Amino acid sequence: EVQLVESGGGLINPGGSLTLSCTASGFTLSSHSMNWVRQAPGKGLEWVSSITSTSTYIFYAESVRGRFTISRDNAKNSLYLQMNSLGAEDTAIYYCARGSTTSTGGWFDPWGQGTLVTVSS
Amino acid sequence: EIVMTQSPATLSVSPGERATLSCRASQSVNTNLAWYQQKPGQAPRLLIYGASNRATGIPARFSSSGSGTEFTLTISSLQSEDSAVYYCQQYNDWPPLTFGGGTKVEIK
Repeated sequence: EVQLVESGGGLINPGGSLTLSCTASGFTLSSHSMNWVRQAPGKGLEWVSSITSTSTYIFYAESVRGRFTISRDNAKNSLYLQMNSLGAEDTAIYYCARGSTTSTGGWFDPWGQGTLVTVSS
Repeated sequence: EIVMTQSPATLSVSPGERATLSCRASQSVNTNLAWYQQKPGQAPRLLIYGASNRATGIPARFSSSGSGTEFTLTISSLQSEDSAVYYCQQYNDWPPLTFGGGTKVEIK
């Protein structure tokens, strides 16, 4: 079964840092681009970042560029999102999602169950 | 940035009836469009890719059409388990990859 499991979310003070992880199973991670998508409470979906299968190309949403860093370790079947300078606007459920190709773009399938990040003092 | 607009925001449909959801792009996305279903407390699930291709395991009552800037997701005979929020997403011109605001489908 293809599965993605996120971890690392929690309550963090404004200005703080947090690193999310996503562990993949049931497929070869190195054959797919990977993505982070977030959803603020009661809101819609917002694409955050994408990384190609070999980490050659990386893209960020304008709202997180310069603060967030996406990375992956194919040997560990893992995707990461390092988040710095967090603000209340970053409060959301963060989903990792497999891309449809080795390059970025495309559709997302499947998605992990998400991990909640709450930025509050 | 391509803006995706979904309508209506909420759709109330009786069981067994047809539900028609719309997604409009601010510029052409060709057929590079996906639809997702999100039930309360769950992650989104891919329904459609390439504007009209059902994902694996998706029931035949879900269909989609369109190209360019206008797209439609149709649920031919609404079931109770179809109550969810539906999102469209374009992947023609990125970054950023963009989603519509969603349509909530309620069972009347």
